[in-house]
Amino acid sequence: SQQGEEDPQALSIQEGENATMNCSYKTSINNLQWYRQNSGRGLVHLILIRSNEREKHSGRLRVTLDTSKKSSSLLITASRAADTASYFCATEDRDDKIIFGKGTRLHILP
Amino acid sequence: DTEVTQTPKHLVMGMTNKKSLKCEQHMGHRAMYWYKQKAKKPPELMFVYSYEKLSINESVPSRFSPECPNSSLLNLHLHALQPEDSALYLCASSRSRDTYEAFFGQGTRLTVV
Repeated sequence: SQQGEEDPQALSIQEGENATMNCSYKTSINNLQWYRQNSGRGLVHLILIRSNEREKHSGRLRVTLDTSKKSSSLLITASRAADTASYFCATEDRDDKIIFGKGTRLHILP
Repeated sequence: DTEVTQTPKHLVMGMTNKKSLKCEQHMGHRAMYWYKQKAKKPPELMFVYSYEKLSINESVPSRFSPECPNSSLLNLHLHALQPEDSALYLCASSRSRDTYEAFFGQGTRLTVV
């Protein structure tokens, strides 16, 4: 079944730096989404990128999609303490289910 | 209103209890989902309802029983749970199963004692 795999699993950076997380998947997709989850809380949808799009921006977020490599990246620029969270990519599988990757735990250091 | 509301926020129940989790949205979404999330793990899909009909059951044990009484409400009935069922239960909704921009509730943190 379809599954997104994020890397790195954990990332610690200084406040103000940029954070980049990657997601790889195995089969063809219609779109890919990124979510944020603060510790033990519900998920917040960040951005959706369709398979015919290569890059998308939303505020300090930039998402790229390379369907030939079956990978996506999420860039958070000028990181803030409030960005500390887990970030998940989610992809569609053949049954139209949303399947989440294992996530990247991002820690912004003051 | 772009919220998915889950109640209760916390629940502690014994293994012989019967309880229910509730999820509500008023965005006119016709697909609703239940996910289970253990600590430091990604959410795992349990059930999907599409137009109030159960369309996906991910081989979830029968001690979890979903119900979708109308297009705005989704319940998860719990009975005879085990301690390993303790987890964060997340509800989500989307316009339909064909749209993947899902809105998630804050979750119910369930502890089975």
